[in-house]
Amino acid sequence: IAGITQAPTSQILAAGRRMTLRCTQDMRHNAMYWYRQDLGLGLRLIHYSNTAGTTGKGEVPDGYSVSRANTDDFPLTLASAVPSQTSVYFCASSNTANTGELFFGEGSRLTVL
Amino acid sequence: AQSVAQPEDQVNVAEGNPLTVKCTYSVSGNPYLFWYVQYPNRGLQFLLKYITGDNLVKGSYGFEAEFNKSQTSFHLKKPSALVSDSALYFCAVRGNTGFQKLVFGTGTRLLVSP
Repeated sequence: IAGITQAPTSQILAAGRRMTLRCTQDMRHNAMYWYRQDLGLGLRLIHYSNTAGTTGKGEVPDGYSVSRANTDDFPLTLASAVPSQTSVYFCASSNTANTGELFFGEGSRLTVL
Repeated sequence: AQSVAQPEDQVNVAEGNPLTVKCTYSVSGNPYLFWYVQYPNRGLQFLLKYITGDNLVKGSYGFEAEFNKSQTSFHLKKPSALVSDSALYFCAVRGNTGFQKLVFGTGTRLLVSP
């Protein structure tokens, strides 16, 4: 089934550790996004990429980095995790040739202790 | 910069009654407007969108939304609620020129009681 795959689905991490959340899509969408979802704050954009080889900062980029080496993969890295990065992370993609409807993965729940 | 407001944290409605989930937006130029639904422990699923044309947009699962330019609103509606409609609903907006990021509201929890 076509869509977005995120891994891991859940992770508990010690503060200070490095963590990479993986995201792969098989829809050949040119744009990809990382959002975090926190209670009362909705979804906030962390980083995005409108095409392979380019990335941009969203609303809350500090402490996170991304890369877009190819169309399908868009990993999110926390270089040194802190407790405030405890959240549910969603990867999404869209075809920017159309009107921007996003397709979401099932999320990665991250707890930083 | 674009923004979305969902003024209600939660909406309660009895099964069979009509439901409305409110959304207002701010964007430069003409908006592209979206509604998404999230069931527990799942990702967001697209419900419907307004791009241009008729102000009343019909989407999945019997939902519809009305675009009102003068009130900058895009309220989600359904004539007869089902218990299975209970979920978290997000409104989102982006501008209609070039590559623009989608901005989400904080979400409204819909609880439909039997």
